[in-house]
Amino acid sequence: EPEVTQTPSHQVTQMGQEVILRCVPISNHLYFYWYRQILGQKVEFLVSFYNNEISEKSEIFDDQFSVERPDGSNFTLKIRSTKLEDSAMYFCASRASIGREQYFGPGTRLTVT
Amino acid sequence: QKEVEQNSGPLSVPEGAIASLNCTYSDRGSQSFFWYRQYSGKSPELIMFIYSNGDKEDGRFTAQLNKASQYVSLLIRDSQPSDSATYLCAVNMGTGGFKTIFGAGTRLFVKA
Repeated sequence: EPEVTQTPSHQVTQMGQEVILRCVPISNHLYFYWYRQILGQKVEFLVSFYNNEISEKSEIFDDQFSVERPDGSNFTLKIRSTKLEDSAMYFCASRASIGREQYFGPGTRLTVT
Repeated sequence: QKEVEQNSGPLSVPEGAIASLNCTYSDRGSQSFFWYRQYSGKSPELIMFIYSNGDKEDGRFTAQLNKASQYVSLLIRDSQPSDSATYLCAVNMGTGGFKTIFGAGTRLFVKA
């Protein structure tokens, strides 16, 4: 069964450093998403991406965040200058068509020290 | 007003009983509704999705949607200890569906 994959599973970085989180969505899916979940809190929408551009973003997704689909398979989230409060699980998700169900990857745990 | 609201629980039911989980949402234009299960330290796993008013059944799970009342529910019949998890209600906001908002989740404990 096709699934969303994410790398790395755990990333430790120092405050102020740039990180890139990688995702490989399900191959025939067209819509891609990033979410974050701070420990003990709810899943928060960050951004949606379709047709090589951002469709919607939340207030959390400020100028330090960016997304890219550098090739036909990868979807990345870059955090330019990490802060302590960026420590969270980051989930990638994809869906085949708009409005339909999303499938989540296993997540990347980001720890900023 | 929170966009998607759930009772945080914990909800505790005995094995074999019916667990009833509820969710309300604020955006009347929302078209798509989802229930995910999340085990501690894991990613959300899709359980059910529903797009039309009424009931939708899949095995032991039934999702119910009432758009007039802005209410979605999930019933789990014959609850098993392995159903113990946090259940997340998710709603696609607006007609475009590009933004999905999650509730805070309801923790369910099924006692053997």
